[in-house]
Amino acid sequence: DAEITQSPRHKITETGRQVTLACHQTWNHNNMFWYRQDLGHGLRLIHYSYGVQDTNKGEVSDGYSVSRSNTEDLPLTLESAASSQTSVYFCASSETPSLSRPYEQYFGPGTRLTVT
Amino acid sequence: ELKVEQNPLFLSMQEGKNYTIYCNYSTTSDRLYWYRQDPGKSLESLFVLLSNGAVKQEGRLMASLDTKARLSTLHITAAVHDLSATYFCAADPYTGTASKLTFGTGTRLQVTL
Repeated sequence: DAEITQSPRHKITETGRQVTLACHQTWNHNNMFWYRQDLGHGLRLIHYSYGVQDTNKGEVSDGYSVSRSNTEDLPLTLESAASSQTSVYFCASSETPSLSRPYEQYFGPGTRLTVT
Repeated sequence: ELKVEQNPLFLSMQEGKNYTIYCNYSTTSDRLYWYRQDPGKSLESLFVLLSNGAVKQEGRLMASLDTKARLSTLHITAAVHDLSATYFCAADPYTGTASKLTFGTGTRLQVTL
C-alpha cells in the first residue's frame, strides 16, 4: 500500500545545530508540503513543492529550507535550530487538483522535535 | 491573507446530543476540507467540499459549505464517545495549482458518557 513516512518520529537537539527531518511518500504525488503544529495555531505551512526542483515558501518559512531532488522525498532542514522551533512537524502530499477535482492532502505520522 | 477561524475551540458534549462546529474564512475559497486528529496521531481526511451548497455525510457527521457566507459547518448527530478528537477545517483558495491549505486552530471535541 502507498504511504507517507517521516523520520525520525522523535528528535531532541540543541540550539544552533542543523537538523534534517525526512519525508518519503510512495503515492507518486507531485505535491508535497511541510507544516508545523503548535497549540493555539493549528497547522501552519512551512514550505511546499509542486514537483522535482520546485520549492516554495509558506507562511512560516524563516529558519527552514527544503529541496526536492526526486518525486518521493522532501527533506526539511532547520539551518540553526532555535527553541521557537520546538513543535510537531507534519509532512503531507497530494495529487494535482483541477477545477472540478479537489484532492485532499495525505499526512505523515509526524515528527516531534524538541530544541533545548 | 486568508484567515480561517473555528468555533468553539473546545466542546464538551454528552453522548446522544447534537452540536455544530463552525468554520469561517476570510477570502474567497472554492473548496473546504475537514480533518480529524486523534491525540498524538496524524490528520485523517473526513470531507472535501467543492462547491456552494455542498453537503456530505459520513455516519454521525455532516459537513456543509456556503461559499457566499464563507462558512462551513460540521454537524454532529447523536454524539458517541468514539467521536472525541480534534477537528480541523482548512480552506483552499484554489488558483490553478496544487492545494495550499490554510487551517483553522481546531476544535477539540470531548464526548462524555
